[in-house]
Amino acid sequence: VLTQSPGTLSLSPGERATLSCRASQSVSSSHLAWYQQKAGQAPRLLIFGASSRATGIPDRFSGSGSGTDFTLTITRLEPEDFAVYYCQQYGSSSSFGQGTRLEIK
Amino acid sequence: QLQLQESGPGLVKPSETLSLTCTVSGGSIRSGSHYWGWIRQPPGKGLEWLASSFHSGSTYYSPYLQSRVAISVDTSKNQFSLRLTSVTAADTAVYYCARQERIVATVLGWFDTWGRGTLVTVSS
Repeated sequence: VLTQSPGTLSLSPGERATLSCRASQSVSSSHLAWYQQKAGQAPRLLIFGASSRATGIPDRFSGSGSGTDFTLTITRLEPEDFAVYYCQQYGSSSSFGQGTRLEIK
Repeated sequence: QLQLQESGPGLVKPSETLSLTCTVSGGSIRSGSHYWGWIRQPPGKGLEWLASSFHSGSTYYSPYLQSRVAISVDTSKNQFSLRLTSVTAADTAVYYCARQERIVATVLGWFDTWGRGTLVTVSS
């Protein structure tokens, strides 16, 4: 089970966002991804392998962590970054966290 | 450019079977580097992985739905499909199909390309 926190994060453009994803069991080989979803759209892959950025993702997005604790950091928030973010663990099976809503303060 | 498009009924009656198809264009479903998967999202809620399949037929299912869900691949049509039996209102959701990285054999990966999703409502 993946637990994301906080449920909602209220920040202003230009600020730094730190989103957490905690697994109930160790995630092998850092098999963790992050997605961004905007209203009415499909999710977009941001990070895979815990820290590798997907093609075309700005370098203000970064992922870190291992074992059971993972973090998505967005430095210098842009207006288009306000969305819902999901983590996903993968391997022999797959599951998603419940999401963190990043809203404009 | 790879594109995925979901198709199927937007309304299904309770206790019946939900059937959806995903058509892959701009690439081959026979890719040795990818699985093909289904994910759903109930209105206002989070994402739920349902099933994934390799083109050869190796399949992987969510343990929570394993008894009701089936995924299949039709390489001749470059399509893959989802069947969900005995549906209830709780199965109302936007259903997405997506391409999934195949890290190594039997190891599922991340979803890098998604369809736009299709809303399926379960109601009489």
